[in-house]
Amino acid sequence: TQLLEQSPQFLSIQEGENLTVYCNSSSVFSSLQWYRQEPGEGPVLLVTVVTGGEVKKLKRLTFQFGDARKDSSLHITAAQPGDTGLYLCAGYRAGNNRKLIWGLGTSLAVNP
Amino acid sequence: KAGVTQTPRYLIKTRGQQVTLSCSPISGHRSVSWYQQTPGQGLQFLFEYFSETQRNKGNFPGRFSGRQFSNSRSEMNVSTLELGDSALYLCASSSGDRTNTGELFFGEGSRLTVL
Repeated sequence: TQLLEQSPQFLSIQEGENLTVYCNSSSVFSSLQWYRQEPGEGPVLLVTVVTGGEVKKLKRLTFQFGDARKDSSLHITAAQPGDTGLYLCAGYRAGNNRKLIWGLGTSLAVNP
Repeated sequence: KAGVTQTPRYLIKTRGQQVTLSCSPISGHRSVSWYQQTPGQGLQFLFEYFSETQRNKGNFPGRFSGRQFSNSRSEMNVSTLELGDSALYLCASSSGDRTNTGELFFGEGSRLTVL
């Protein structure tokens, strides 16, 4: 059983569409991170959210941390082909800063 | 600053052989973590080294081992290779401070194929 469940697993959309991907858990996390991994590359950190209810924006990407710090979402507005990649969420469970927990990722394809 | 460097990028081995992968972290970073990534299992944590000591370990068999040198460079070794060891092996560098927001900086990975 994954501690961090990501959905959907796969997503294929057309350029210009909006989308939301989710990262859910039954556990409380002290922080959650979102990474994007492009083919043939290692993951790159996009954002870290720390406070329950926090919303962070990175250009067309909006990240939200749930009030209870058990879930997070990533919303992309007007997706572009350059957004294609694997989106991974990862977090430190409350009370345990020693191990980063990873979700399996959402594979996003944005078609021109 | 220079990023995380992993070598080799690609390699092909046969069952029963062994392999050594290398990782040079970002200058000043003392922590190096290793991950195995496969399509079905996602990112699986292998181990973390900090100041030449293994600080954390995942649930992999003893065939997987690692070490870290005084300059923070790290190597991981897989002995008696199995077909299931085919994967992308990622190295991640970090400051190693035990904060709850510790960011990982990944290398491009070493793609291992076992035939």
